[in-house]
Amino acid sequence: SQQGEEDPQALSIQEGENATMNCSYKTSINNLQWYRQNSGRGLVHLILIRSNEREKHSGRLRVTLDTSKKSSSLLITASRAADTASYFCATARETSGSRLTFGEGTQLTVNP
Amino acid sequence: GAVVSQHPSRVICKSGTSVKIECRSLDFQATTMFWYRQFPKQSLMLMATSNEGSKATYEQGVEKDKFLINHASLTLSTLTVTSAHPEDSSFYICSARDPQKQAHTDTQYFGPGTRLTVL
Repeated sequence: SQQGEEDPQALSIQEGENATMNCSYKTSINNLQWYRQNSGRGLVHLILIRSNEREKHSGRLRVTLDTSKKSSSLLITASRAADTASYFCATARETSGSRLTFGEGTQLTVNP
Repeated sequence: GAVVSQHPSRVICKSGTSVKIECRSLDFQATTMFWYRQFPKQSLMLMATSNEGSKATYEQGVEKDKFLINHASLTLSTLTVTSAHPEDSSFYICSARDPQKQAHTDTQYFGPGTRLTVL
């Protein structure tokens, strides 16, 4: 079964607004990653945050990690219509090497 | 950035036939590749870990005799769906790690996926 749970499952916003997606997990992790998937395509790696990090930025993306709550959030600021996609968090567990466990994903729609 | 390709991008086959999907790392050598399966509007489920020169490691519930994985070289892994049935219809995605990028060893580079439809 999937370790990660994401909410919301679907999010619809207007261009220019911020989008926040959350991810929760159940076991200890080495790192947590966020990926983006356009419909019918492969995944694109967005950002990786290690278990000893609390926050990370990359362009319009901001990721936080709270290991005490076993949760992470992805914030996309000043969203654009091109940000419309599914976003997945994935965790690499301490004992699994590079095996990733994906969350259920959030479908983001940014309306122009 | 690292590039992973898959071939074919989509395939339609008859029930009972076998289908081979290729996953290639184009600009790096991948000692480890991963195969995932994704049903419509669902998340990715890891099927197996493919290790160059050794047997693949399958996740619980994945039939190794049905989903044959071969990782014969550092740039190619293949997944063969044997005796395919309609319930095997899915989106199959591979990924690979670039061991040269030590700072991001847990980052996986994903292929574009293969849409399999079994009639």
